Amino acid sequence: RKEVEQDPGPFNVPEGATVAFNCTYSNSASQSFFWYRQDCRKEPKLLMSVYSSGNEDGRFTAQLNRASQYISLLIRDSKLSDSATYLCVVIPYGQNFVFGPGTRLSVLP
Amino acid sequence: GAGVSQSPRYKVAKRGQDVALRCDPISGHVSLFWYQQALGQGPEFLTYFQNEAQLDKSGLPSDRFFAERPEGSVSTLKIQRTQQEDSAVYLCASSFGGAPYEQYFGPGTRLTVT
Repeated sequence: RKEVEQDPGPFNVPEGATVAFNCTYSNSASQSFFWYRQDCRKEPKLLMSVYSSGNEDGRFTAQLNRASQYISLLIRDSKLSDSATYLCVVIPYGQNFVFGPGTRLSVLP
Repeated sequence: GAGVSQSPRYKVAKRGQDVALRCDPISGHVSLFWYQQALGQGPEFLTYFQNEAQLDKSGLPSDRFFAERPEGSVSTLKIQRTQQEDSAVYLCASSFGGAPYEQYFGPGTRLTVT
């Protein structure tokens, strides 16, 4: 089983829709989590950190479920500009970033 | 302020050639990371520096890959005797602190080995 897994998608959703992605991880000692977005042929850019209590930034909400070992990202009121690949990042204790393979999102007009 | 920069942005090498990829991190960032990203995959960790010390090189795929950061700022990733399977985007990232801190990525170097 891979350390970090994501549904590759693509998720094709209409503008204004709500979409959610999950990311599962295998190392229960993982301590830090992030969501990055990557546009086609560009570098990954930090979207948000994921805190134990969950956190929200505008239309984006991130949740962590340590018991089930997954993190989630919810995007409300999708915009065309949200089309990208969303990468989850897990940091196992004492190790460096481990990226998931990414989930592709296409927001359609 | 300036972000992470990398050069060259694109590199085509014939199989067997040596290549050197450069990374300029964000000024003041202590940590520097190299990743390899194959098409359709997430970035895979290669190596990590804290200042000039290479603290983790567990992700380097073979002894043909070598990285250095002699003065704790600019870093170079060198690949000797390139093979076709080395074709990928090589991303550099820097962060203010160690692993749990957010990392900021450069635009990458797209390496094609023919």
